[in-house]
Amino acid sequence: QSALTQPASVSGSPGQSITISCTGTSSDVGSYNLVSWYQQHPGKAPKLMIYEGSKRPSGVSNRFSGSKSGNTASLTISGLQAEDEADYYCCSYAGSSTGYVFGTGTKVTVL
Amino acid sequence: EVQLVESGGGLVKPGGSLRLSCAASGFTFSSYSMNWVRQAPGKGLEWVSSISSSSSYIYYADSVKGRFTISRDNAKNSLYLQMNSLRAEDTAVYYCARVSELVPAAFDYWGQGTLVTVSS
Repeated sequence: QSALTQPASVSGSPGQSITISCTGTSSDVGSYNLVSWYQQHPGKAPKLMIYEGSKRPSGVSNRFSGSKSGNTASLTISGLQAEDEADYYCCSYAGSSTGYVFGTGTKVTVL
Repeated sequence: EVQLVESGGGLVKPGGSLRLSCAASGFTFSSYSMNWVRQAPGKGLEWVSSISSSSSYIYYADSVKGRFTISRDNAKNSLYLQMNSLRAEDTAVYYCARVSELVPAAFDYWGQGTLVTVSS
């Protein structure tokens, strides 16, 4: 199972909005509405930001939103803040025989 | 407060074995599926293995199938990963992570990770 494809880096100025794409296949992203997104700061454990494609866990800012179209999921960060600078990973459930597939990761830089 | 604390990492020679543990607290451990996810130095995340709440369902990534064994002891609130025939490419930080029915197919809590280094 290949990793989901994400852009290596995305940048934006404070207050702007950015979108990170996550492209999979009809066997993972396209088959299940079970895409999650994680934020990871250097040296820290990942933190869940979005699950089931567009739902936010309690405590996660509403500046983070998710969507999906076909085999591609997206994470949008609006009102970009300095603290949003981190690595972001998507993840899709891919069935019981395959398990979970993570994306290649995107480094977000706040200019 | 949910806490997951991994231990057991260290330096091991290629072909060697290591057993990782994850101690859980702050939630009803026996009600949740648990997972191991790893991250090689400077690389992305990779799902390794999952075990259902009662150990009825166990799954592995192809990269570790036949070499790693996941298990749990609900009486001890602990998750384990027995790693055999270790290879250099298994070098990574290993995280344990919880999956909740309320947050399906997503890892809602993670431990801080334990580093496994496979090198001669």
